[in-house]
Amino acid sequence: DAKTTQPPSMDCAEGRAANLPCNHSTISGNEYVYWYRQIHSQGPQYIIHGLKNNETNEMASLIITEDRKSSTLILPHATLRDTAVYYCIVPSGGSQGNLIFGKGTKLSVKP
Amino acid sequence: EAQVTQNPRYLITVTGKKLTVTCSQNMNHEYMSWYRQDPGLGLRQIYYSMNVEVTDKGDVPEGYKVSRKEKRNFPLILESPSPNQTSLYFCASRVSLASRGGYTFGSGTRLTVV
Repeated sequence: DAKTTQPPSMDCAEGRAANLPCNHSTISGNEYVYWYRQIHSQGPQYIIHGLKNNETNEMASLIITEDRKSSTLILPHATLRDTAVYYCIVPSGGSQGNLIFGKGTKLSVKP
Repeated sequence: EAQVTQNPRYLITVTGKKLTVTCSQNMNHEYMSWYRQDPGLGLRQIYYSMNVEVTDKGDVPEGYKVSRKEKRNFPLILESPSPNQTSLYFCASRVSLASRGGYTFGSGTRLTVV
């Protein structure tokens, strides 16, 4: 997998947008960026993925820079229930589906 | 509801007593996988299966077995559990290895081997 770098922790006020950055400078041209989150010890939850265009779904938006070396996950109106560890993952084609979860970003949403 | 179901959620067992953790998905997914999560080590893949009767080792397969006789089920078998297999286990599934969608994870099984 392409190496990803995320800040270890971030705080966000409830109701505000949470912007979580991820650097993936070694990403290859056909590799996708995936975001998952894990709330406490629950199973990881898929959020969104993208290749080069910005993506939006009911959970979040994903902004990928033009050079694809970094991306930002945006939770537009963070709630207390969005407190979780967020993982940015770039699986390589030869990984046989193995997701390499790094340390992620611990997002704390505060009232 | 589309989901991956693991059982049991919690299990305490003794060293050497064979156990099976079940995993079932109702989405007709081809690809299924088992992970374990340990503090400081993150999630690590144990075994995966690309389809019925096709399984292969992940990063940490020692001490585990799996089978895929039906598309929906992918049980994890510990023939002789040891304390170092105490961990939080997750089963995951995806449409196929080649698909671009995300994985659906189960709620986890917390296993303690004493």
